[in-house]
Amino acid sequence: KNQVEQSPQSLIILEGKNCTLQCNYTVSPFSNLRWYKQDTGRGPVSLTIMTFSENTKSNGRYTATLDADTKQSSLHITASQLSDSASYICVVSAGTSGTYKYIFGTGTRLKVLA
Amino acid sequence: GAGVSQSPRYKVAKRGQDVALRCDPISGHVSLFWYQQALGQGPEFLTYFQNEAQLDKSGLPSDRFFAERPEGSVSTLKIQRTQQEDSAVYLCASSLSPISNQPQHFGDGTRLSIL
Repeated sequence: KNQVEQSPQSLIILEGKNCTLQCNYTVSPFSNLRWYKQDTGRGPVSLTIMTFSENTKSNGRYTATLDADTKQSSLHITASQLSDSASYICVVSAGTSGTYKYIFGTGTRLKVLA
Repeated sequence: GAGVSQSPRYKVAKRGQDVALRCDPISGHVSLFWYQQALGQGPEFLTYFQNEAQLDKSGLPSDRFFAERPEGSVSTLKIQRTQQEDSAVYLCASSLSPISNQPQHFGDGTRLSIL
C-alpha cells in the first residue's frame, strides 16, 4: 500500500534555531517527492520538487534531501523565523506518464517561538 | 486572477442539504484536483480532471459526491444529502500540465461544516 509517514508530528523551536523534518515513504512506482508549507487556514504552497535522480534541492532557507534507496527525505530549515510556523507536508507522486497519484503525509506542525 | 480561487470560503449547511463548491483554477492549467482535508490531517485525493475529462474519481467517498468541469476551466464539487462526516476543508489544486514534475497550485479551500 502506498504510504507517506512524517515525523515528528509536531515540533517547537526557538527563533533562529535550525530544525529537520523527516519523511519516509513506501510508494511505487516513484515519480517525485514534494514538500509543501501550509499556513493555518490556507492552501499548501510548494517548497521543493525532487525527482529520483536529485538528492538535494534548496529554496532559500529550506533544503530538502532525498535518498531513493532508503526511501527517505528530510526538510532542513535554517535560521528559523516566526513566519516558518506552519504545517509541512511531504507528498510523493506515484505513477507513470500521464497518470499520477499524489500521496500526502499527515504533516509536521512546526511552531517557532520568539 | 493570479492564483487558484475557491468559493465560498466557508459554508455551513444542515444535514441532508445539498452543497456546491466552486474552484477557479489558474488560467490555462490543464490539470485540476480536488482534495478533502480533515482537521490535523493531510489532504486526501478525491478526483482529477484533465481539461474537461474526469480521468480519476477513485477518491470520491460515496455516490453523494459529484464533480464536473464542463468547459475545462471552472470546476464544481457537489455533495448531495450532506452528512456530518462530510465536514472538512475541500481544497482545489491546478497544474499547468499532466507532466509529473509540474507544481500543484492550491486554493485556500472551502471549510464545510455540517450541522
